[in-house]
Amino acid sequence: NAGVTQTPKFQVLKTGQSMTLQCAQDMNHNSMYWYRQDPGMGLRLIYYSASEGTTDKGEVPNGYNVSRLNKREFSLRLESAAPSQTSVYFCASILAGGQETQYFGPGTRLLVL
Amino acid sequence: GENVEQHPSTLSVQEGDSAVIKCTYSDSASNYFPWYKQELGKGPQLIIDIRSNVGEKKDQRIAVTLNKTAKHFSLHITETQPEDSAVYFCAASGGSYIPTFGRGTSLIVHP
Repeated sequence: NAGVTQTPKFQVLKTGQSMTLQCAQDMNHNSMYWYRQDPGMGLRLIYYSASEGTTDKGEVPNGYNVSRLNKREFSLRLESAAPSQTSVYFCASILAGGQETQYFGPGTRLLVL
Repeated sequence: GENVEQHPSTLSVQEGDSAVIKCTYSDSASNYFPWYKQELGKGPQLIIDIRSNVGEKKDQRIAVTLNKTAKHFSLHITETQPEDSAVYFCAASGGSYIPTFGRGTSLIVHP
């Protein structure tokens, strides 16, 4: 099992450009999450998907959209990137059904100029 | 909603010493408390967790204690080694599968 995979690993954008961060898990997990990590701020939840077909806002959803494409894949889109979105983005998944351990991907490092 | 506070933000110890990281939470409904370790350039990884019906749990050199009355839980690492150097996150959740994370502790173990 590859676990949780994310693409790309690194990305540099100019202000106003758009991009989609991809995430996939091969553990048959039900719930998936997108976090951003900034120095001193810990992990802040952007959006989550409790199950296939559902998505909900987290703590910091402004400027982002998500798509739960199927049970395996959960993408994060920046429609018009801003310098404030420079961060490290992590995707995570949980099996649910009583199993609450989160499994994280390796992260995408995004720089918006 | 839940609020998790984590201290200290940075902890520097000598190899072989013990390290303790403390977290407090606000929501008495929280019943699952995991600890994650994040090495440089990687995603967080679970190292130990505890549920509200247990007061202490050990796994080799690491242990977690939970005081439900005081709403705090702690991570204890004994006989620290340089490879323990990382950022550690605590979290709390109440069955909604939406954990709230602390801001992290950067542990530095000096050889």
